[in-house]
Amino acid sequence: EAQVTQNPRYLITVTGKKLTVTCSQNMNHEYMSWYRQDPGLGLRQIYYSMNVEVTDKGDVPEGYKVSRKEKRNFPLILESPSPNQTSLYFCASSPRLPGITDTQYFGPGTRLTVL
Amino acid sequence: QKEVEQNSGPLSVPEGAIASLNCTYSDRGSQSFFWYRQYSGKSPELIMSIYSNGDKEDGRFTAQLNKASQYVSLLIRDSQPSDSATYLCAAGTGQVGSGPNSGYALNFGKGTSLLVTP
Repeated sequence: EAQVTQNPRYLITVTGKKLTVTCSQNMNHEYMSWYRQDPGLGLRQIYYSMNVEVTDKGDVPEGYKVSRKEKRNFPLILESPSPNQTSLYFCASSPRLPGITDTQYFGPGTRLTVL
Repeated sequence: QKEVEQNSGPLSVPEGAIASLNCTYSDRGSQSFFWYRQYSGKSPELIMSIYSNGDKEDGRFTAQLNKASQYVSLLIRDSQPSDSATYLCAAGTGQVGSGPNSGYALNFGKGTSLLVTP
C-alpha cells in the first residue's frame, strides 16, 4: 500500500529538548516536504527536498532542520524546540514538484506540544 | 507575497444542494491549481487539479478556473453530509528547481469549512 508514515503521531515535550519527527514513504518519490498547520494560518511549508541530499527552505524554516540521506526518509529535527513550534506537522511526498503533479500524498500528521 | 485567499466559512448547505467554494490568488504567473479536502484531525487529500481556463469535472466535483480574474472555484453537486470538511485551495507559485526537475512550489489558502446538513 502506497503510504507516507510519520512518527511519533503525538508528542509532548519541553522547551529546549531536541527532538526528531521521522517521515518515510514507500513510493520511491523524489520530492518530499514538511508543513505545519496552525489555526488561522493554514498550511505552511517548512522545508522541502527535491532528491537525496537536495533540500531547501520553505516559508517558515526558522528553528527547524532536515536531512535527506535516503530517498525514502525525510526527518524533521527541532534542535531546541520552543512553545511557538507547537503545531500539527505534516510530511508529504510526490513523484515531482507538487505544483506540477496531480499526485501528492500526505502523512497522517504529528501533533507536537512544546511546554 | 504570493497569496491564496479563501473565505474561512463555515459554509452551510443542505444535503443535496450544490456547494460552491471560492478561491483567489495573487500571483498572475500561477499555472496549476489544486483542491484538497481535509477532515478534522486528518491529513489533506487531493481531490481536484486544474491547469487550464474553464471547467473540469470529476464525478460530483467541478473545478473552475479563470486566470484573467485570478479565480478558482470548486462546485460539489448533490452535497452529502460526508462532504463536511475543510477545503484547501492551493496554487503552484514561484519557480523552483531547474531543468527537468523544475516546477512550482505549492501555496495553500487557509481553507473553507463546509458543513452539509441533513
